[in-house]
Amino acid sequence: AQKITQTQPGMFVQEKEAVTLDCTYDTSDPSYGLFWYKQPSSGEMIFLIYQGSYDQQNATEGRYSLNFQKARKSANLVISASQLGDSAMYFCAMSKGRQGGSEKLVFGKGMKLTVNP
Amino acid sequence: DAGITQSPRHKVTETGTPVTLRCHQTENHRYMYWYRQDPGHGLRLIHYSYGVKDTDKGEVSDGYSVSRSKTEDFLLTLESATSSQTSVYFCAISEVGNEQYFGPGTRLTVT
Repeated sequence: AQKITQTQPGMFVQEKEAVTLDCTYDTSDPSYGLFWYKQPSSGEMIFLIYQGSYDQQNATEGRYSLNFQKARKSANLVISASQLGDSAMYFCAMSKGRQGGSEKLVFGKGMKLTVNP
Repeated sequence: DAGITQSPRHKVTETGTPVTLRCHQTENHRYMYWYRQDPGHGLRLIHYSYGVKDTDKGEVSDGYSVSRSKTEDFLLTLESATSSQTSVYFCAISEVGNEQYFGPGTRLTVT
C-alpha cells in the first residue's frame, strides 16, 4: 500500500528566507507521481508542483522546487524567498500507477507553514 | 482557475437523513473525485469516476454512493448521514495523466 509521511506538524520561517518541507513516501510501484498542494486559511486546495518517478530532473515551478531523492523515497518541497502569502497548510501526495496518472491520490496529513515578517 | 463548483457550500443535517452533494465542472475533464478532509487525516479519497457511469471506490467509501450521468456532474450521496460523516468534502477533476484541481469544498455537519 502507498503511504505518505509528513512529520513536521508546523514550521516557522522568516520572510524572504528559503524553507524545506519534508515528505517521505512508501510504495512498491515502479511508476508513480508525487504532488504538492497548498491550502491557505481560506480552505481551497491549490496545486503547486508535480514530479514523476522516472523524471531525471527535479521539478521546478517559479519559487517552488521539488527535491526528489528516489533512493531515500523523499520528495521535499523547497520554497525560495518565502512570502507572507506562503503561510498555509501544505500537503504532499502520490499517485499510483502510470507516471503522471493522478487517479487515486494518497495524501499526507499535511504540515503548517507560518511565514513571519 | 479550473471551472469547478460544489453545492451546497455549507449544510447542516440530522443523523439518518439522506444528503446529496453536487460537483459541477466546465472543463470537460474525464476524471472526477470526491475526498473528505478531517483534522489529522489529510484528504482521503471516497469515490472517483473515470467516465460517465464509470465509478470506483476509494479508501473510505463505506456509507457513500456516487453517480455520474453526465461528464460535467458528479454526485456524492450519503444514504443515511451519521455524525462520523461530519467533514469537509472536496471534489476534484483531472485529465488523463495530469494533476487534480479541486473545488472550493463543502462543509457538512451532521447533528
